[in-house]
Amino acid sequence: DTGVSQNPRHKITKRGQNVTFRCDPISEHNRLYWYRQTLGQGPEFLTYFQNEAQLEKSRLLSDRFSAERPKGSFSTLEIQRTEQGDSAMYLCASSLDGGRQYFGPGTRLTVT
Amino acid sequence: GQQVMQIPQYQHVQEGEDFTTYCNSSTTLSNIQWYKQRPGGHPVFLIQLVKSGEVKKQKRLTFQFGEAKKNSSLHITATQTTDVGTYFCAHKNSGYALNFGKGTSLLVTP
Repeated sequence: DTGVSQNPRHKITKRGQNVTFRCDPISEHNRLYWYRQTLGQGPEFLTYFQNEAQLEKSRLLSDRFSAERPKGSFSTLEIQRTEQGDSAMYLCASSLDGGRQYFGPGTRLTVT
Repeated sequence: GQQVMQIPQYQHVQEGEDFTTYCNSSTTLSNIQWYKQRPGGHPVFLIQLVKSGEVKKQKRLTFQFGEAKKNSSLHITATQTTDVGTYFCAHKNSGYALNFGKGTSLLVTP
């Protein structure tokens, strides 16, 4: 099953540290999305890429967050100077054009 | 993005009982999608509705899109323990990002 994969699955970090997550989408999918989900809430959209171009960013994506998809394949999401409020599940999804989105297992971030 | 509200937040049923969750918007929606997330899992796409009054069925699941395209529902007939999870509705905006509701968590006891 060549679904969406995310690494690491869990990350514990101290406040103020930088963290980076990776997402590998389904290989033929040109669109890649990042969402954040906290307990008891639905996923919240952060940003998305079409190929290597970042086309939309949510206002949730503060200056401390940056995402890249350098070759239009895998993507990274970096959070600088983490805060306790950044603790959440970070979900990646991919789709072919605007079709169905397939979600990865997520990276659970805990900021202590 | 357009906000979608879901009710109820939680539902606890005995196995074999029916279950319905509702999704509402104050504005007309071009589409509505439904997802299921098992405990500890990730959202999995169930269906997309785009037409006014549309009704789609998947085995014991029935999905409806309202005539005014401002509400939708998911009905499960004769729940099973495998139906446990959180059901989300979501609207896909013009940029293809999904705006999710807060979900309805379903607990089924045998």
